[in-house]
Amino acid sequence: DAGVIQSPRHEVTEMGQEVTLRCKPISGHNSLFWYRQTMMRGLELLIYFNNNVPIDDSGMPEDRFSAKMPNASFSTLKIQPSEPRDSAVYFCASNGGGREQYFGPGTRLTVT
Amino acid sequence: GESVGLHLPTLSVQEGDNSIINCAYSNSASDYFIWYKQESGKGPQFIIDIRSNMDKRQGQRVTVLLNKTVKHLSLQIAATQPGDSAVYFCAETPNTGFQKLVFGTGTRLLVSP
Repeated sequence: DAGVIQSPRHEVTEMGQEVTLRCKPISGHNSLFWYRQTMMRGLELLIYFNNNVPIDDSGMPEDRFSAKMPNASFSTLKIQPSEPRDSAVYFCASNGGGREQYFGPGTRLTVT
Repeated sequence: GESVGLHLPTLSVQEGDNSIINCAYSNSASDYFIWYKQESGKGPQFIIDIRSNMDKRQGQRVTVLLNKTVKHLSLQIAATQPGDSAVYFCAETPNTGFQKLVFGTGTRLLVSP
């Protein structure tokens, strides 16, 4: 299995631009999670889906952030408009009902 | 509210030594506690977990201890190896679905050969 796949691995954009991060969970996993990691705040859960349905988005920082999961094999996290304080590493993770969340390699976002 | 924290930001050990990484938590309702390892440039990787009704669980070279009285969790790594160098996070979840993990701030383990 290829594991959780995220793209792009690195993204550099200017303030005000739209950013879209992509995630492909492990095949057969029915839960998907988006996390943000920064030095100041550590690893924070932004939102998670069960069977493509958003269950808890209380961690989404602002309306500028949105996430979708149109099918079981794809999810996006969008930031519009982006701001420098959004710079972080964004992780996607999936879970197939067991005890582990499997994390992707992350997308390092830099907003200048 | 929910919060998980760590006592030591960096732990330096010699290869072959045993390492102990500590974590304090505040949510008495948490049902599972989990340790993750994050190597540079990678996502966190599950190491071991323990349910709240247990006080000790052993894996391969790792042991997790849970003290609910003082809300303390520790990860012990036996015969630490250079490949163990990473940031270690404790996390807790208030339910059995492993859905909403709350992560601690992390401890960096540095293993010298």
